[in-house]
Amino acid sequence: EVQLVESGGGLVQPGGSLRLSCAASGFTFSSENMNWVRQAPGKGLEWLSYISSTSSPIYYADSVKGRFAISRDNAKNSLYLQMNSLRAEDTAVYYCASGSGSSWLYSWGQGTLVTVSS
Amino acid sequence: QAVVTQEPSVTVSPGGTVTLTCGSSTGAVTSGHYTYWLQQKPGQAPRTLIYDTSNKHSWTPARFSGSLLGGKAALTLSGAQPEDEADYYCFVSYHSTWNWVFGGGTKLTVL
Repeated sequence: EVQLVESGGGLVQPGGSLRLSCAASGFTFSSENMNWVRQAPGKGLEWLSYISSTSSPIYYADSVKGRFAISRDNAKNSLYLQMNSLRAEDTAVYYCASGSGSSWLYSWGQGTLVTVSS
Repeated sequence: QAVVTQEPSVTVSPGGTVTLTCGSSTGAVTSGHYTYWLQQKPGQAPRTLIYDTSNKHSWTPARFSGSLLGGKAALTLSGAQPEDEADYYCFVSYHSTWNWVFGGGTKLTVL
């Protein structure tokens, strides 16, 4: 069974940094592309970033380009999102999503909440 | 950046059929946009129902189908069930600009 477990969320002050992790199991992590998606409270979904199975290519949404960095460690079956220069509008639940074959968004984690506030 | 448009809310009667649509500010949605449809119930993570316009995952109920309709992507629900009440999001790929965009979501009420 595919399982994705996000961690690392919490309360951070504006301008601060946070690193999210996504632990994957139940599939061959090193073969699949991965994505980060977020959802602000009461709002819709927003795609943030994509990383291929080999870590190249990588893509970002304009809203986080230059502030967020996606990475992965295939030996540890883990995906990461380094978030810097955080703003109040980055407050959201952050989901990782795994691909499978031609489906980019095959499986989803349960999300981790990031709150940016002073 | 492209804007993806969905109906904010739609109501369907139990057992009825409804079509949700997904349009793009850049023009017609085509098979090259590899549109996805996701379902999200309150307090839960999203679940992908349709990928690449019309392909279903193993868990996708047969009553859901994806297609292209009048320049938009469409999700049709035939025989709505109370458990289908949820928010539905489309996800569109813009490979020419290496960008991927979610629609604003449609709140489906089964009533």
